[in-house]
Amino acid sequence: AQSVTQLDSQVPVFEEAPVELRCNYSSSVSVYLFWYVQYPNQGLQLLLKYLSGSTLVKGINGFEAEFNKSQTSFHLRKPSVHISDTAEYFCAVSEGNTGFQKLVFGTGTRLLVSP
Amino acid sequence: DAGVIQSPRHEVTEMGQEVTLRCKLISGHNSLFWYRQTMMRGLELLIYFNNNVPIDDSGMPEDRFSAKMPNASFSTLKIQPSEPRDSAVYFCASSPDGDTQYFGPGTRLTVL
Repeated sequence: AQSVTQLDSQVPVFEEAPVELRCNYSSSVSVYLFWYVQYPNQGLQLLLKYLSGSTLVKGINGFEAEFNKSQTSFHLRKPSVHISDTAEYFCAVSEGNTGFQKLVFGTGTRLLVSP
Repeated sequence: DAGVIQSPRHEVTEMGQEVTLRCKLISGHNSLFWYRQTMMRGLELLIYFNNNVPIDDSGMPEDRFSAKMPNASFSTLKIQPSEPRDSAVYFCASSPDGDTQYFGPGTRLTVL
């Protein structure tokens, strides 16, 4: 069975600093990987996804993530954060051969950006 | 372009009452997912449909929960009878291709 680990429950950072949110997964088969963002009192919004091809994936709002198969990781990065990036970030995995996208989510990382 | 629509946004009810949550998919999407989010358990998939057919309901907690898709654009999640431990935010999401999921704003359910 798949699982996702987000080790950091909360990451405080100053505005314009770089940030990395960590995500590790476990699966016995090929996987699809996703990062979603949840702003307060809203639903989840897709930031980026890895299905195949280039291991460096670029998403919306200046975020990017790198798939590392040997380390079973899919860390999310942004070179310079804004106050508006304050939100909860969820990493998710689905098995690549199921035909339907059954996502397993991590527990989330709260990004707190301060001035 | 309207996104996924959920109603009500907030629901407060008493233990034992029936609760019905509603979801309208984005036009043209053929997959529908119901999730529950709590502080203790995070985000859990309850059930998902493809072309109106339930594909996997293994996440439904117990028989008190039921979900339907009476047509291609609408779904309901019913809890009968409701219990305090059902208090959570319930999200539905739709997908056009079984790949990217688009989430609704959620329904915050409080069972007293």
